[in-house]
Amino acid sequence: KAGVTQTPRYLIKTRGQQVTLSCSPISGHRSVSWYQQTPGQGLQFLFEYFSETQRNKGNFPGRFSGRQFSNSRSEMNVSTLELGDSALYLCASSLQVSGNTIYFGEGSWLTVV
Amino acid sequence: KNEVEQSPQNLTAQEGEFITINCSYSVGISALHWLQQHPGGGIVSLFMLSSGKKKHGRLIATINIQEKHSSLHITASHPRDSAVYICAVKGASGNKLVFGAGTILRVKS
Repeated sequence: KAGVTQTPRYLIKTRGQQVTLSCSPISGHRSVSWYQQTPGQGLQFLFEYFSETQRNKGNFPGRFSGRQFSNSRSEMNVSTLELGDSALYLCASSLQVSGNTIYFGEGSWLTVV
Repeated sequence: KNEVEQSPQNLTAQEGEFITINCSYSVGISALHWLQQHPGGGIVSLFMLSSGKKKHGRLIATINIQEKHSSLHITASHPRDSAVYICAVKGASGNKLVFGAGTILRVKS
């Protein structure tokens, strides 16, 4: 059974650009959540989707958005990139919103220059 | 004060030692997760707990709901256990995961 797949793994963007990151969950998993990890702030929750609906949202500005498709694949988008958006972005999937083990992808390393 | 506090921040042990990492939280929770992160970024979920104790191989996780405290124990530690161990809690209303700062473990041979 394939794990959680995130693409791209590494990318470099310029300030002001936008970026889209993709996440394919484990087959059968309907909950997908996104996290940002930086050396200064550690791991922080971005948002969570279940059956194409955003269930929870973290404390991030509106430049951070996401969506989930009918096949449970998810994308997150960051617009008007800032240097501080440089981070590891992790996606995780689980069967349901709560009560189940979460499985993480390898992450997408974003560098903003 | 952070909602999730881990201790110690850094831990160096000799191979074979018994290791304990602690996690305290301040909110009501529906579940607590222990995660392991190796250099390079990948995170593996070790345990999900809502009560009691779980064991998997050399790893044991316990939780005391009344005291809002959990511990992760590693018996007979090995250099391959070197990683960052992260505690995360999900609130009682089932909303977002909140993470501790992590414990950096180094096991020397």
